[in-house]
Amino acid sequence: GAGVSQSPSNKVTEKGKDVELRCDPISGHTALYWYRQSLGQGLEFLIYFQGNSAPDKSGLPSDRFSAERTGGSVSTLTIQRTQQEDSAVYLCASSLTSGIEQFFGPGTRLTVL
Amino acid sequence: AQRVTQPEKLLSVFKGAPVELKCNYSYSGSPELFWYVQYSRQRLQLLLRHISRESIKGFTADLNKGETSFHLKKPFAQEEDSAMYYCALSGPSRNKLVFGAGTILRVKS
Repeated sequence: GAGVSQSPSNKVTEKGKDVELRCDPISGHTALYWYRQSLGQGLEFLIYFQGNSAPDKSGLPSDRFSAERTGGSVSTLTIQRTQQEDSAVYLCASSLTSGIEQFFGPGTRLTVL
Repeated sequence: AQRVTQPEKLLSVFKGAPVELKCNYSYSGSPELFWYVQYSRQRLQLLLRHISRESIKGFTADLNKGETSFHLKKPFAQEEDSAMYYCALSGPSRNKLVFGAGTILRVKS
């Protein structure tokens, strides 16, 4: 079956604009994760969704970042008033449940000019 | 605090030479350790996890709790092993992975 998909693959935006990044997890996977991969740094955890439980937002770097997961499937990561330091590759992953292997999407490369 | 350290940004070896990618971690409990790999123009994928204790593509990794290390080893490197390798840990809640900065492995012919 299809793996995790993300859209868009690339996004160029101007500083101050809002952006939305989308993630379609593997069907049936209850756990969904967002990570950020910045140049020269490892992957940084942003947020985690597990079923209908309240999400773990402990990794979100500021209140400009938010995410939601509708119907336990598709997730959207929103960055408001983008800054140049938000430029990175945003990766989404899903797993059958927490603690099981995470399957990663291809990522969205965000460039803030 | 949970932390994963990969001291080498780049490791360059010749084909057929042994490979060791270093990973040290900081965690007060009993973490689960992983190695993820990203080949050129491919997505990040799991290579191996310490609890499975298996060898994947000739790679092995042993968890050393005394030295808090989880080094990745392969006795004979192949050109197709060239990739970015990330060491990661997961705490007891298993709700996220903490990644190291990654090591680029370059296998030269």
